[in-house]
Amino acid sequence: GIQVEQSPPDLILQEGANSTLRCNFSDSVNNLQWFHQNPWGQLINLFYIPSGTKQNGRLSATTVATERYSLLYISSSQTTDSGVYFCAVETRGAQKLVFGQGTRLTINP
Amino acid sequence: GAVVSQHPSWVICKSGTSVKIECRSLDFQATTMFWYRQFPKQSLMLMATSNEGSKATYEQGVEKDKFLINHASLTLSTLTVTSAHPEDSSFYICSARPPQGGYGYTFGSGTRLTVV
Repeated sequence: GIQVEQSPPDLILQEGANSTLRCNFSDSVNNLQWFHQNPWGQLINLFYIPSGTKQNGRLSATTVATERYSLLYISSSQTTDSGVYFCAVETRGAQKLVFGQGTRLTINP
Repeated sequence: GAVVSQHPSWVICKSGTSVKIECRSLDFQATTMFWYRQFPKQSLMLMATSNEGSKATYEQGVEKDKFLINHASLTLSTLTVTSAHPEDSSFYICSARPPQGGYGYTFGSGTRLTVV
């Protein structure tokens, strides 16, 4: 099956810093989503981005489908941005999401 | 829109008993729902795909008789953990995909199961 690799596994930053999270996948996808899992376990859907670039406030994401990677940018980090960020993909015909191992982001005040 | 509700949020049960978890799509109909399990500090692993009106499809290694899935209506899927043991303690999350395009999958808030 498809392999989804996220990097870095852990990231510790000071408040106000910018960060880039990466997601590589091993096959063509028809769906890619970025999620933020908060300390209570809730998965927040950040972006649905099988290709192209989207922005939502301090967050933006870019997926280059032909090169099989996606990037999540967080600017001017806040402590509330802490948590685990997951990339998940769906391959054509599979109709299910496969998750990467996540990036654990810690923003210190 | 596109809200999935999961209940209960947490449950503690004794070894040997069964626990039922409900997953509802509140503002859309879902012919297919998905159940994931997440152990501490790990990623989400798909357990099974729940199909309305038919049998669930289980991922390799998931025990069908232990994790009973019922999808009796277009808005409700249930996961029953039968004869629970401490190793079944985990975070269970359900998901569904709204029929309108451009949004992707949406997830319930999860159920933290502790078996004592």
